[in-house]
Amino acid sequence: GENVEQHPSTLSVQEGDSAVIKCTYSDSASNYFPWYKQELGKGPQLIIDIRSNVGEKKDQRIAVTLNKTAKHFSLHITETQPEDSAVYFCAASSYTSYGKLTFGQGTILTVHP
Amino acid sequence: DAGVTQSPTHLIKTRGQQVTLRCSPKSGHDTVSWYQQALGQGPQFIFQYYEEEERQRGNFPDRFSGHQFPNYSSELNVNALLLGDSALYLCASSLTLSVSDYGYTFGSGTRLTVV
Repeated sequence: GENVEQHPSTLSVQEGDSAVIKCTYSDSASNYFPWYKQELGKGPQLIIDIRSNVGEKKDQRIAVTLNKTAKHFSLHITETQPEDSAVYFCAASSYTSYGKLTFGQGTILTVHP
Repeated sequence: DAGVTQSPTHLIKTRGQQVTLRCSPKSGHDTVSWYQQALGQGPQFIFQYYEEEERQRGNFPDRFSGHQFPNYSSELNVNALLLGDSALYLCASSLTLSVSDYGYTFGSGTRLTVV
C-alpha cells in the first residue's frame, strides 16, 4: 500500500522567515497531494493541494511543488507569522484508492515572534 | 454554514466495552470517511461510506464497524475496546467519493480514552 514519509518532524523559524516541509510517497498511482494544517483541539484543515498533472501551485504565502519522477512534494510557506504555528500534514491519494488519504507523520511548525 | 459536527467531543471507556461515535457531514456533502489519529501521528483511514454502504476500508479489524443513515450522517462503532484504541477519531465529509475532486472537510474529532 501507499506510504508517505514527512520531514522534518519539528521546525522552528523566526517570524518573517520561510519554512519548507518535504514529503515522499511510494505509490506511482498517486495523483492527488493535499496539505493540511491542524491546530490544537481541531481537525485538519485543507490549506492547499496539487494534482499530478501540475508541477507547482501557489496561494498567497503558500506554495506546493511536485516532482513525480522523484515521488516527492514540498510545502513552502513564506513570510511566516506566529499564527502559522501548528502541525502540518502532507497526504496522498491514488486513482485506485480514490476515497482514501494516506497521511505523513506531521511536522510541528513553531514561528517565534 | 455548519461544518462537520462530531459527538461526543470526549469519551472515556473501559477496556472490553463498546463505543459509538457520531458524525453529521457538512451541508451538501453525502460521503463520510472516518480516520483514527493516535497521539503524535497522522490520521489513518478506517473506512468510507456513501449511499449507506461501506465503499472502501483501511487496515482495521472487524471490531471497527460503521453505518450511514439516509440523511448522510454516520456512526462509527468499536467493539471489545483495547487500550490501543485510545485516539482522536476524525470524521471527514466530501461532495463525492473521490477525495481529489473537492477535498475533505474534517470535524474536530472525538477524543476516546480507553482505561
